[in-house]
Amino acid sequence: EVQLVESGGVVVQPGGSLRLSCAASGFTFDDYAMHWVRQAPGKGLEWVSLISWDGGSTYYADSVKGRFTISRDNSKNSLYLQMNSLRAEDTALYYCAKDMGVMDYYFDYWGQGTLVTVSS
Amino acid sequence: DIQMTQSPSTLSASVGDRVTITCRASQSISSWLAWYQQKPGKAPKLLIYKASSLESGVPSRFSGSGSGTEFTLTISSLQPDDFATYYCQQYNSYSPPLTFGGGTKVEIK
Repeated sequence: EVQLVESGGVVVQPGGSLRLSCAASGFTFDDYAMHWVRQAPGKGLEWVSLISWDGGSTYYADSVKGRFTISRDNSKNSLYLQMNSLRAEDTALYYCAKDMGVMDYYFDYWGQGTLVTVSS
Repeated sequence: DIQMTQSPSTLSASVGDRVTITCRASQSISSWLAWYQQKPGKAPKLLIYKASSLESGVPSRFSGSGSGTEFTLTISSLQPDDFATYYCQQYNSYSPPLTFGGGTKVEIK
């Protein structure tokens, strides 16, 4: 059974930093691209970032480019999101999502999310 | 970036009704469209990919159609478990950014 478990969400002050983690199991992690998708409270879904199966290619939404960094450790079946220069508008539930394939650009499994709150 | 517009934003329907949700893209995306269902407090669930391909395990009352800029998700006979919010997502030309529609909430009439 595929499982994605996010962690690391906390309350952080504007301008602060945070690293989210996603532990994957139940599939061959290094066969798939992985994504982060976020959802602000009461709002819709926003794609944040994508990393290829080998970490060699990464992509970001314009809203986070230059502030967030996606990475993965295939030896640990883990995905990460380093978030710097956080803003109030980054407040959201952050989902880790598995790509359908090597890089098919849609998501067949999602974690339950980890909540990031940016507030002073 | 490609913008996705869903309509309606809210839909009131009864069990057994046929329900149709529309998603329009700001430019052609061929058939590179997925549909997701999200229930309150839960993660989204993939229903349809490549505009009309049904994800494994998804009931056959769900269907998708369309190409280019206009797409529809149809629930042929609404069931109690189907009251949720539905999102479309484009993945045109296999290149980010990936964008979602604003969502359609299906409520009990």
